[in-house]
Amino acid sequence: GAVVSQHPSRVICKSGTSVKIECRSLDFQATTMFWYRQFPKQSLMLMATSNEGSKATYEQGVEKDKFLINHASLTLSTLTVTSAHPEDSSFYICSAVVGRAGMDSPLHFGNGTRLTVT
Amino acid sequence: GENVEQHPSTLSVQEGDSAVIKCTYSDSASNYFPWYKQELGKGPQLIIDIRSNVGEKKDQRIAVTLNKTAKHFSLHITETQPEDSAVYFCAASIGGGFQKLVFGTGTRLLVSP
Repeated sequence: GAVVSQHPSRVICKSGTSVKIECRSLDFQATTMFWYRQFPKQSLMLMATSNEGSKATYEQGVEKDKFLINHASLTLSTLTVTSAHPEDSSFYICSAVVGRAGMDSPLHFGNGTRLTVT
Repeated sequence: GENVEQHPSTLSVQEGDSAVIKCTYSDSASNYFPWYKQELGKGPQLIIDIRSNVGEKKDQRIAVTLNKTAKHFSLHITETQPEDSAVYFCAASIGGGFQKLVFGTGTRLLVSP
């Protein structure tokens, strides 16, 4: 089945630094990927839609200059948390669409990245 | 925007019993309703889904029902096993496609041996 790989699985960084999280589709091409954020014991909140070769679409309330998304190839999207602060500590999860967005294809999720900002 | 409510927030059952989790959604344009199982420290795993033109779908011990008129959908797990213990999320599609999802608040299922 479709596999989505996220790296790193855990990262600890100091306040003010930037962190890059990678999301790869291992055995399929993904023109669209989604980035979610999940606080402890809470639901997944959609942050942005990442489209290969174009700018990401951010959900209301998500700072695009703080959460930089790059989808440079059909198998890789990256999320960079810039100038991280302790309140950015969270579980970040990506998902990828098998095939073209809008078609009859389910989402496949990565295993998430636990970010801790000290 | 779309709002998905999920109940209960926690559910404890004995092994072998059935478990039912219910969700309601607000956007009548939603046409795809997946259910995900999330284990600690992992991403969500799709366990079953249903589309708006179907009222019920079953896969072994798992079934999902959809009532479009009432905007309700439910997950039914029969013959529960300890390994079913996890957090379950319902979701509803928005924007007319299948992939942009709004998630419910989650149900922590505990199956005791």
